[in-house]
Amino acid sequence: NAGVTQTPKFRILKIGQSMTLQCTQDMNHNYMYWYRQDPGMGLKLIYYSVGAGITDKGEVPNGYNVSRSTTEDFPLRLELAAPSQTSVYFCASNLSDRTYYGYTFGSGTRLTVV
Amino acid sequence: ELKVEQNPLFLSMQEGKNYTIYCNYSTTSDRLYWYRQDPGKSLESLFVLLSNGAVKQEGRLMASLDTKARLSTLHITAAVHDLSATYFCAVASNTNAGKSTFGDGTTLTVKP
Repeated sequence: NAGVTQTPKFRILKIGQSMTLQCTQDMNHNYMYWYRQDPGMGLKLIYYSVGAGITDKGEVPNGYNVSRSTTEDFPLRLELAAPSQTSVYFCASNLSDRTYYGYTFGSGTRLTVV
Repeated sequence: ELKVEQNPLFLSMQEGKNYTIYCNYSTTSDRLYWYRQDPGKSLESLFVLLSNGAVKQEGRLMASLDTKARLSTLHITAAVHDLSATYFCAVASNTNAGKSTFGDGTTLTVKP
């Protein structure tokens, strides 16, 4: 049981480049989330999804896009990368919004924009 | 807008001592989470607190929730080096989607 898998683990982008951060979960979780963590800070919600075909903005969505075509996959797209997007990105999932468990997190993607 | 404040942000403890981390939040919620993050690693769920007066314990860590005061505490008993990590509280929105707002974390260092 792999849980939540994120790729890549590290990436360096040049300003203006684009990339997709991949997130896959094998737990049949309906709810998936993308957070970013800046150094010394808590996590900020970028986008979330409550099921295939349904996505919505979180607290800091500007500069990002998501899609959810299957229950398993929730990729995060960065368009026109900027230095302000240098951060660690975590994908997380949960079975529902009323569970007795916290999120299951992926291992993170450390992104540097230069 | 839900705001979550933790204090202290940094905590240096001697092994064997006790201490408490505080988590205050600004609006009504019916679930609060505590997570642990080791340096350079992902977050691991520690506790879920679902109702007023809830108390959960795991080893040397005990978490409690006072929904009337909008306050949760994480109490560390007889700290050991292995507890050195960053601890986050996260409060779930009472609307749907299970979105959580995270505090900025408390970085705990336990020294011999």
